[in-house]
Amino acid sequence: SQQGEEDPQALSIQEGENATMNCSYKTSINNLQWYRQNSGRGLVHLILIRSNEREKHSGRLRVTLDTSKKSSSLLITASRAADTASYFCATVLTRNSGNTPLVFGKGTRLSVIA
Amino acid sequence: KAGVTQTPRYLIKTRGQQVTLSCSPISGHRSVSWYQQTPGQGLQFLFEYFSETQRNKGNFPGRFSGRQFSNSRSEMNVSTLELGDSALYLCASSSRVMNTEAFFGQGTRLTVV
Repeated sequence: SQQGEEDPQALSIQEGENATMNCSYKTSINNLQWYRQNSGRGLVHLILIRSNEREKHSGRLRVTLDTSKKSSSLLITASRAADTASYFCATVLTRNSGNTPLVFGKGTRLSVIA
Repeated sequence: KAGVTQTPRYLIKTRGQQVTLSCSPISGHRSVSWYQQTPGQGLQFLFEYFSETQRNKGNFPGRFSGRQFSNSRSEMNVSTLELGDSALYLCASSSRVMNTEAFFGQGTRLTVV
């Protein structure tokens, strides 16, 4: 079953605009990660935010985490056509037996129109 | 460093056959995980190996199996292929257990006809 659920499923914006994607999850996490996937290819790690962190930045990416709402958001500023891809959140859950492998949501398909 | 290498990139098999996919992790990485990606189910976790030991297993039938060798290279095998096994199979490696940044290969596209 899916742990993370991204919203929206698809997003289309103009080049230069900001893109915001959201991820909700159900149970306690150790960390939450965002990945990008270009069509039919492997995933590329973008950013990792731990459960005790609230915000992280990497270049044009900004990730926030609200553990009380069990949600995270990924903001891409000043988007470019090359940002066109699917974006996935993935959670590492906390278990008594140790942390779980990455559990992925179904992704947001971002299209940036030049 | 070379990235994660998966072979073959594309594969066409017939129902009932078996298939073996290979993954070479980044040098020094001891953790390897496998995922199945389909349009309907998204990315589903198959297994995770660390130092030749299976640490976690996803909810897949026994037809799906894997192993890891002493050099950290990993293989997964699917026996008695079904049409529904058509998917992109992704391998990821990590320096430690799979709760840190994961590096993915380009995947093996398996088509079962």
